[in-house]
Amino acid sequence: DARVTQTPRHKVTEMGQEVTMRCQPILGHNTVFWYRQTMMQGLELLAYFRNRAPLDDSGMPKDRFSAEMPDATLATLKIQPSEPRDSAVYFCASGSGLTGQETQYFGPGTRLLVL
Amino acid sequence: AQSVTQLDSQVPVFEEAPVELRCNYSSSVSVYLFWYVQYPNQGLQLLLKYLSGSTLVKGINGFEAEFNKSQTSFHLRKPSVHISDTAEYFCAVSVPDGATNKLIFGTGTLLAVQP
Repeated sequence: DARVTQTPRHKVTEMGQEVTMRCQPILGHNTVFWYRQTMMQGLELLAYFRNRAPLDDSGMPKDRFSAEMPDATLATLKIQPSEPRDSAVYFCASGSGLTGQETQYFGPGTRLLVL
Repeated sequence: AQSVTQLDSQVPVFEEAPVELRCNYSSSVSVYLFWYVQYPNQGLQLLLKYLSGSTLVKGINGFEAEFNKSQTSFHLRKPSVHISDTAEYFCAVSVPDGATNKLIFGTGTLLAVQP
């Protein structure tokens, strides 16, 4: 049963520290998405990649967030420096198929708390 | 601008009763429509999607949705709910964005099934 995996599942850190979240998409999927979920803002798309190339990161605060796909099996989302307002659940999702029609398969999320 | 509206933030219902979760969207172009479900402390999971063809779409767990272009709606229904259907339900629309598509989520509806 193929699944998207995310590590770590939980992260507690102090303001100013660097946070790295990792995602392993389902093998063969060519699109990867990063979302942030909070009670106030709901689900927000931060960035997404197709065939490892970044297509859109307009939802991401550029000064502190960065997203990369070093290879087809790994996507990373970094926050440096972290702030309390970054506390949220971060989801990675992967998909394949025709643009816009693909089902997105979500990972279990990384629950981040910045103190 | 495209948007998705889920008017009901919470829908309480008794077990074995029917339920309808409402979703309306605004878009000036053809869109693809999705319903995702999120169980507590988990990622989102696809329930069903409308791409083209028959306006009545059947999904997993006995759910179905009907695409109504004139009313720009995509309401989700189930004739008889179970306790295990308690979850957050998200309607989403995939819209063209330059060379690709973006998935825009509604704010979610919490379905609370009571015994």
